[in-house]
Amino acid sequence: DQQVKQNSPSLSVQEGRISILNCDYTNSMFDYFLWYKKYPAEGPTFLISISSIKDKNEDGRFTVFLNKSAKHLSLHIVPSQPGDSAVYFCAARPLEETSYDKVIFGPGTSLSVIP
Amino acid sequence: GAGVSQSPSNKVTEKGKDVELRCDPISGHTALYWYRQSLGQGLEFLIYFQGNSAPDKSGLPSDRFSAERTGGSVSTLTIQRTQQEDSAVYLCASSLEPRGGNSYNEQFFGPGTRLTVL
Repeated sequence: DQQVKQNSPSLSVQEGRISILNCDYTNSMFDYFLWYKKYPAEGPTFLISISSIKDKNEDGRFTVFLNKSAKHLSLHIVPSQPGDSAVYFCAARPLEETSYDKVIFGPGTSLSVIP
Repeated sequence: GAGVSQSPSNKVTEKGKDVELRCDPISGHTALYWYRQSLGQGLEFLIYFQGNSAPDKSGLPSDRFSAERTGGSVSTLTIQRTQQEDSAVYLCASSLEPRGGNSYNEQFFGPGTRLTVL
């Protein structure tokens, strides 16, 4: 059973508009959440993270929102650029795994930003 | 470059053969992780190394899979008697020694090895 879910396999957005990528999780004991971005033929790269004690973290055009009661987080990209076209993975760290940063990844959402 | 490197980038093998995949982590990174990504799937955790020891091997799918790390650096993932379901992209990541608590050390990923078992 997937503990981290990304129910939208793909998303298309017009350049300049907002991209919203969603992620749901089932384990209430996750304490850290991350987003990784992956281009074809490359490894994932870390994008942004949020601790469970916060509900928002912003870094430039990227903002992650966490709703613990709903077990939901989202990544907002504003404004979207063609270079943002990639697969975005949501990931979460179980509280009991803080000793070594083990994370569980979702299946990913492929974002296409149309010029 | 100072990033994580993996070799080979592509490997095509016949069912039943053994394969070895190599990962060179970032210098100074004590933590090393192996993942695999099957077609249409997310990243599946395989094994974690801290230094040369592997405190978590829980993700290895069968006893045909093994991994070792030497000198606290290079790691090799070995798959014996490969099966078609082993076809996937195998990704390695490294990070600084985990600090625990309310902090997280970013994992840096290599480009992966695409394994195709015919």
